[in-house]
Amino acid sequence: AQTVTQSQPEMSVQEAETVTLSCTYDTSESDYYLFWYKQPPSRQMILVIRQEAYKQQNATENRFSVNFQKAAKSFSLKISDSQLGDAAMYFCAYRTSETSGSRLTFGEGTQLTVNP
Amino acid sequence: DGGITQSPKYLFRKEGQNVTLSCEQNLNHDAMYWYRQDPGQGLRLIYYSQIVNDFQKGDIAEGYSVSREKKESFPLTVTSAQKNPTAFYLCASSRGTGRDYGYTFGSGTRLTVV
Repeated sequence: AQTVTQSQPEMSVQEAETVTLSCTYDTSESDYYLFWYKQPPSRQMILVIRQEAYKQQNATENRFSVNFQKAAKSFSLKISDSQLGDAAMYFCAYRTSETSGSRLTFGEGTQLTVNP
Repeated sequence: DGGITQSPKYLFRKEGQNVTLSCEQNLNHDAMYWYRQDPGQGLRLIYYSQIVNDFQKGDIAEGYSVSREKKESFPLTVTSAQKNPTAFYLCASSRGTGRDYGYTFGSGTRLTVV
């Protein structure tokens, strides 16, 4: 079974600084997608960034970027120039192949606090 | 605007009662999903449906039931067999089942047993 592990239950960062959230996963598949979702206090889930396993280039979306290490099965999220609005729970997620229902499997989440 | 609507936002259930959580989408998405969120456990899959009139059990289906009679609707019933139903429930949809499709989420329903 696929698993996703986020080893940092809580992280904090000073406003305008950079923070990296860790995620590792376990899978026997060779083609898959990885996602980072943000859940602010409103509890609305928001897609932050996604990465295809076949692409070696790391995905970037404005201040958000990933460090994808396929051999190590690692998928960390870097937030640059942190803003107060970045404070949220962040979930790493892995999407399986269609034969498995193509469901998203989530990690336990990392609660990010941004200090002014 | 297209999106997913979950209702109610808050729901209280007495012991032994069945309750139904509503999930409606107007995105014309084929696939729909129900997740349960508990503190420290992330999101766990309850049921999913890839097409109308078909659905599959997820990891924690015991004590829950679903139906998919219309493409737009995927209601979740929490039955009295679910011993610990207090949780936050999220509904999601996806354009297809391809790996590159992310999910669109509803705003959730908080269920509390009283």
